[in-house]
Amino acid sequence: NAGVMQNPRHLVRRRGQEARLRCSPMKGHSHVYWYRQLPEEGLKFMVYLQKENIIDESGMPKERFSAEFPKEGPSILRIQQVVRGDSAAYFCASSSTSVVTDTQYFGPGTRLTVL
Amino acid sequence: QQPVQSPQAVILREGEDAVINCSSSKALYSVHWYRQKHGEAPVFLMILLKGGEQKGHDKISASFNEKKQQSSLYLTASQLSYSGTYFCGTELDSGGYQKVTFGTGTKLQVIP
Repeated sequence: NAGVMQNPRHLVRRRGQEARLRCSPMKGHSHVYWYRQLPEEGLKFMVYLQKENIIDESGMPKERFSAEFPKEGPSILRIQQVVRGDSAAYFCASSSTSVVTDTQYFGPGTRLTVL
Repeated sequence: QQPVQSPQAVILREGEDAVINCSSSKALYSVHWYRQKHGEAPVFLMILLKGGEQKGHDKISASFNEKKQQSSLYLTASQLSYSGTYFCGTELDSGGYQKVTFGTGTKLQVIP
């Protein structure tokens, strides 16, 4: 039973380029959460999605960042015109329901480096 | 609001015990504990719910004091494999959906 998959594991971009991060949730999971982790810091909530819907994007920067979770395929976190401050590890997590007793299972993360 | 964890870092010898605390300024509904090793994904340890019992498995257990808005993670007879950063995540209410706010973490190093 495959866990949460993220790719790429490492991504290098130059300032001004676009970064696309993919997350495939665990089989049977339809709830996806994206987090950002800066070096030596905790996980910061970015966005919560269900299939085809953004439920809560209160943690997403207003500009340049977007997320989607289409009916078919992985969830995508897209960062346009990247800047050095976007360098971080981006983790997604999935759960089978949205209830508070459910567990979020994390993927291995994508480490984004902006040159 | 981000929960506060203490201590920020701790070094243990194998076999020693440790307690990691997680405090919130707001009333909590649940507390989630995760461990993350360097360069890896956070791994779920346990969830404690308001009104629930103290939980644990193997030599790792946790408690949730609703009145103090605080949770503690207890590691007994620590093993080298316990090394990593421990995060607590808190939820303020049960309505709607999960929204976990994570603390800044406690770095635990177990040495032989």
